[in-house]
Amino acid sequence: QKEVEQNSGPLSVPEGAIASLNCTYSDRGSQSFFWYRQYSGKSPELIMFIYSNGDKEDGRFTAQLNKASQYVSLLIRDSQPSDSATYLCAALADRGSTLGRLYFGRGTQLTVWP
Amino acid sequence: ETGVTQSPTHLIKTRGQQVTLRCSSQSGHNTVSWYQQALGQGPQFIFQYYREEENGRGNFPPRFSGLQFPNYSSELNVNALELDDSALYLCASSPLDRVVYGYTFGSGTRLTVV
Repeated sequence: QKEVEQNSGPLSVPEGAIASLNCTYSDRGSQSFFWYRQYSGKSPELIMFIYSNGDKEDGRFTAQLNKASQYVSLLIRDSQPSDSATYLCAALADRGSTLGRLYFGRGTQLTVWP
Repeated sequence: ETGVTQSPTHLIKTRGQQVTLRCSSQSGHNTVSWYQQALGQGPQFIFQYYREEENGRGNFPPRFSGLQFPNYSSELNVNALELDDSALYLCASSPLDRVVYGYTFGSGTRLTVV
């Protein structure tokens, strides 16, 4: 059973702080990983994907991947109240009968207070 | 690009009834997946279609079925509705050769079974 685990939170940070979200996955065959942001009552919105070990930066967001430790993280710098949402970590199964499906964690609820 | 659209937005059904949910994917997105997201959970993979054929299925009973049409639009059908089927149903699409970069999700259909 392929699983993705997230620190369930909730996570609360002040405006301007760094928010750190973490995720581990069980399937060593997974090659691509995603962070989706989901506002309450809305659908998930892709904010980052990463498939190489190391860091990937996009504006205020940095995704980190460590395949040896099966660990993915997302850092949000200069957090804003508009970043308040649930963040979903997902792993893409890219081989065999499960090719193309995403395995999601339960999500981490982030609140950024002014 | 017109995005991924789903209909209806909300739906209330009675236990035992049947429901059809619809998804219109972005132009060129030949891979469509359906996910069920229960309250407080991450999305769970139901099945995936590519070129009108089902090419992957999650742990959902046969009363969950689907179709993909030549224009890549898709339907999710659920028979004999149960109370536990109440959830947000999400459609996600991508060109098959770009799934490693992430899927685009539709706005979802909120199904309530009473």
